[in-house]
Amino acid sequence: DAGITQSPRYKITETGRQVTLMCHQTWSHSYMFWYRQDLGHGLRLIYYSAAADITDKGEVPDGYVVSRSKTENFPLTLESATRSQTSVYFCASSETSVVENEQYFGPGTRLTVT
Amino acid sequence: AQSVTQPDIHITVSEGASLELRCNYSYGATPYLFWYVQSPGQGLQLLLKYFSGDTLVQGIKGFEAEFKRSQSSFNLRKPSVHWSDAAEYFCAVGALTEDSNYQLIWGAGTKLIIKP
Repeated sequence: DAGITQSPRYKITETGRQVTLMCHQTWSHSYMFWYRQDLGHGLRLIYYSAAADITDKGEVPDGYVVSRSKTENFPLTLESATRSQTSVYFCASSETSVVENEQYFGPGTRLTVT
Repeated sequence: AQSVTQPDIHITVSEGASLELRCNYSYGATPYLFWYVQSPGQGLQLLLKYFSGDTLVQGIKGFEAEFKRSQSSFNLRKPSVHWSDAAEYFCAVGALTEDSNYQLIWGAGTKLIIKP
């Protein structure tokens, strides 16, 4: 299917466990992004990537790790999950810079850390 | 610091009534401004954007927004809302970071509720 997909859509995990959220896009967009969405905060950028093997921190990177070995995939790993990381996570992609092209969003992953 | 304020957390309007969602930004340079919509259980979708030129921009689904530099505002409007417009609306500004990349700074969102 064309577009941007995220898996899993829902995840419950325990404090201290490692969790990886997957993101896949079929457009070969250069830029990819990970956001978290919390009530009252809107979207906050965790990490972004301008191309394969190029990643950069966003506003709230602590506790997260990303990689981008292939253009189409951009997994987000919580190395040791904490309750404060309970959130909805959105992956997005953009053909070029965010001020020139629309960001396309995946459907989100709702993560609960118990 | 750059910021985006959406002063209304919730807005309730009757179907067929007009709508205005407020957005104020703080950014030193010429802003790149966006409105996105998030339908329940979905990702975000771009409604419209302003980069330069005509300060009244038209978007999808019958929405429009007006950039007012003097008021640092970019309010979203629709003359007549439909029940399908019930969603959460996010305003964002494209801001230049220290490493010369642009990132979107997002408002907290306004949830639109439609009364039948």
